[in-house]
Amino acid sequence: RKEVEQDPGPFNVPEGATVAFNCTYSNSASQSFFWYRQDCRKEPKLLMSVYSSGNEDGRFTAQLNRASQYISLLIRDSKLSDSATYLCVVILSLFSGGYNKLIFGAGTRLAVHP
Amino acid sequence: NAGVTQTPKFRVLKTGQSMTLLCAQDMNHEYMYWYRQDPGMGLRLIHYSVGEGTTAKGEVPDGYNVSRLKKQNFLLGLESAAPSQTSVYFCASIAEKYGTSGFYEQYFGPGTRLTVT
Repeated sequence: RKEVEQDPGPFNVPEGATVAFNCTYSNSASQSFFWYRQDCRKEPKLLMSVYSSGNEDGRFTAQLNRASQYISLLIRDSKLSDSATYLCVVILSLFSGGYNKLIFGAGTRLAVHP
Repeated sequence: NAGVTQTPKFRVLKTGQSMTLLCAQDMNHEYMYWYRQDPGMGLRLIHYSVGEGTTAKGEVPDGYNVSRLKKQNFLLGLESAAPSQTSVYFCASIAEKYGTSGFYEQYFGPGTRLTVT
């Protein structure tokens, strides 16, 4: 089983739609959680951290459920510029078997159309 | 502050040739990582380092070696390149931003596109 698993996608949505990405992780001692965005042929860029209480940044909302080992990202009012691949990322701490090991999911591609 | 840089940006190798990819960061980050990204596979961790002089194996270390002699540089070596190593290689560096877990400063380099024929 992969350490971080995501919806395979791709998601094709019209502008203005709300879209949700899901991610599960297998190591219960995972320490920190993030969503990244990667545009075609570019490097991944940090989109937002995911905190236990949930957090919001404009149209983006991230949630963490430690009991279910589940992370989500919600994008409201999708824009054409949101088209990209969204990567779920987990950092494993030293005490869970990795020295701040940064583990990526395979990513979910989003295509927003007019 | 240049962030994370990678050299070279592109390279074509013949099977059996060797090369070294350089990752450099000027942010005084402790942790550095090398990933490869292949279509449909996501980013897979090759090797990583938690500080100067230390390295550890990731998910797909075979065929690669690394060194971190200076804190700001993390080198990835291919001793005898194989076509299976054709990929895009990304380097990342992170640091705990406020000294407590959960707050990390994270940057990626622009990638190196390697083709092995």
